[in-house]
Amino acid sequence: GNSVTQMEGPVTLSEEAFLTINCTYTATGYPSLFWYVQYPGEGLQLLLKATKADDKGSNKGFEATYRKETTSFHLEKGSVQVSDSAVYFCALATNQGGKLIFGQGTELSVKP
Amino acid sequence: DSGVTQTPKHLITATGQRVTLRCSPRSGDLSVYWYQQSLDQGLQFLIQYYNGEERAKGNILERFSAQQFPDLHSELNLSSLELGDSALYFCASSVGVEGASYGYTFGSGTRLTVV
Repeated sequence: GNSVTQMEGPVTLSEEAFLTINCTYTATGYPSLFWYVQYPGEGLQLLLKATKADDKGSNKGFEATYRKETTSFHLEKGSVQVSDSAVYFCALATNQGGKLIFGQGTELSVKP
Repeated sequence: DSGVTQTPKHLITATGQRVTLRCSPRSGDLSVYWYQQSLDQGLQFLIQYYNGEERAKGNILERFSAQQFPDLHSELNLSSLELGDSALYFCASSVGVEGASYGYTFGSGTRLTVV
C-alpha cells in the first residue's frame, strides 16, 4: 500500500544551522508530494509541494526535490530560525481521490 | 486565519457520550475532509465530502458519521465515545474533489478529550 516514512524526532538545532528532514515514500503510480508544517496549537499549513519527478518545491527558504529513483522528498533549509520550531509532516497524494497520506511527523526545535 | 473554521476548539466529555464537531470550509471550497490526529496513530484520513456527497472513506469507525449540508458546512458525529477516541480532529477544505493533488487548507482543529 501507499505509505510515507519520516525520520524520527525530535530534531534540535542551533539557530542558523542547516536542516535536513528525511522523507521516503511507497506508492503506486506517480504521487504528488507535500510538506506540511504544524506550529504549536495550530492546524497544518502547506509548506511546499512537488507534483512530478525532479520537481523542486520551495517556500520560505525551505526546499525539497521529488526524487523518483530514491522515492524520497527530503526537506532542507540552509539556515534555520527559532521561528521554524514546529512539527513537519511529509505527505503524498495518489491519483485516487482526495486523501492525503501523512508520515508520522518530525518535531523541530531551534535554540537561539 | 486559514479560512476553515472549526468549533468547538476544545471538548471534554465522558465515555459513552455523543458529540458533534462542526466545520465551515473556506469560502468557495466544495470539498471537506476530516482527519484524526493522535499520538499513536498519527494523522489518519477519516472521510471526504464533495458538494454534499460522500466521496471517499478512510479509517472511520462505525461509531463515527459525518455529513455535509447544503451550505457546505460539515459535521462529524462521534458516538459511544471511548477513551481511545481522545484526539485532535481536523477539518480541511479544497475547491475541487481532487484536493489532495494540489494541497488543501486545514482548520485549527477540535481537541476532544474523553474521560
